[in-house]
Amino acid sequence: EPEVTQTPSHQVTQMGQEVILRCVPISNHLYFYWYRQILGQKVEFLVSFYNNEISEKSEIFDDQFSVERPDGSNFTLKIRSTKLEDSAMYFCASSWGANPNTEAFFGQGTRLTVV
Amino acid sequence: TQLLEQSPQFLSIQEGENLTVYCNSSSVFSSLQWYRQEPGEGPVLLVTVVTGGEVKKLKRLTFQFGDARKDSSLHITAAQPGDTGLYLCAAKGPSGNTPLVFGKGTRLSVIA
Repeated sequence: EPEVTQTPSHQVTQMGQEVILRCVPISNHLYFYWYRQILGQKVEFLVSFYNNEISEKSEIFDDQFSVERPDGSNFTLKIRSTKLEDSAMYFCASSWGANPNTEAFFGQGTRLTVV
Repeated sequence: TQLLEQSPQFLSIQEGENLTVYCNSSSVFSSLQWYRQEPGEGPVLLVTVVTGGEVKKLKRLTFQFGDARKDSSLHITAAQPGDTGLYLCAAKGPSGNTPLVFGKGTRLSVIA
């Protein structure tokens, strides 16, 4: 069964360093998303991406964050200068469409720890 | 900002019991999805409901979307230890082309 895959599964980084989280969405999907989940809190939307551009972003997704689809398969989230409060599980998701019926499928997540 | 309130927050029951968890909001949603999340893993989609009053069954799980599309329930019959996990509801706004908004979840523990 097709699945969204994310690498690495765990990432520890020093405050102020740049990190890139990688995702391979399901191959025929057109919409891509990043969400994050701080420990003990709810899953929060960061950004959606369609047709090689950001279609929507939340207040969390500030200038420190960027996304890119560098080739036909990868979808990356970059945090330029990490802060302690960026520590969270980061989930990539993809869907075929964006209408109400369309289902989003999530990857296993990357646990980012900023020290 | 759409808010999804899930209740109860925690639920611990014995194997074989039935249970219902709820997802409520004051907002109308175009669709609502239920996910299950295991510790350290991503949410796994269980079902999507779109039509007000819609009922979907997935083995021992029954999902219902409220008539006004503002709330939903998940009923589990004869719970098993394998049902243990965090149950999340997530919804899209009225236009449908909006990102998913998640509730905080109900953490279910089924004791053998």
